[in-house]
Amino acid sequence: AQSVTQPDIHITVSEGASLELRCNYSYGATPYLFWYVQSPGQGLQLLLKYFSGDTLVQGIKGFEAEFKRSQSSFNLRKPSVHWSDAAEYFCAVGAEAAGNKLTFGGGTRVLVKP
Amino acid sequence: GAVVSQHPSWVICKSGTSVKIECRSLDFQATTMFWYRQFPKQSLMLMATSNEGSKATYEQGVEKDKFLINHASLTLSTLTVTSAHPEDSSFYICRGSTEAFFGQGTRLTVV
Repeated sequence: AQSVTQPDIHITVSEGASLELRCNYSYGATPYLFWYVQSPGQGLQLLLKYFSGDTLVQGIKGFEAEFKRSQSSFNLRKPSVHWSDAAEYFCAVGAEAAGNKLTFGGGTRVLVKP
Repeated sequence: GAVVSQHPSWVICKSGTSVKIECRSLDFQATTMFWYRQFPKQSLMLMATSNEGSKATYEQGVEKDKFLINHASLTLSTLTVTSAHPEDSSFYICRGSTEAFFGQGTRLTVV
């Protein structure tokens, strides 16, 4: 069975500072990995995804993530956080690229200090 | 880009009544839709997978008679919460057949 762990429930970061959100997964085969952002009361927006190839993935809004198979990790990073990045972030794992169930991590809430 | 439109965005209903939530794929054919439930400050839990023209597949522990899913066309999937109770209050989100397309979510409050 696949599972996803996001160790940090809350992270507070100052505007302009860098951000890193951790994600660890458990899956028997090569996973498909995703990061989503959710604003309060809204659906999810896909930030980026990893299927294969280059392990450093670029996404929207200046985010990137690095797949490290040896560590079963897919951490999300942003060099300089903006106040609008305050939201809930979810890491997810899937077994196929499309049409497959996604298993989500518990989420990390990011607070941005002015 | 492809969009999944979900409505209503919020609904308040009385205990014992039924509520229908719709998810429409606006510019693509959705042979499959996924329905999730999200409790406050928690993650998304998959409830069921709806398949156009056939019965939905429910996850373990989800009452299929309580959460009725219909996927009668390639553009519409519906979730009906029957005989709603306060513990059914939650945020319900649908997803299209690809990983990118989520509905906006429906906040259900049962009073």
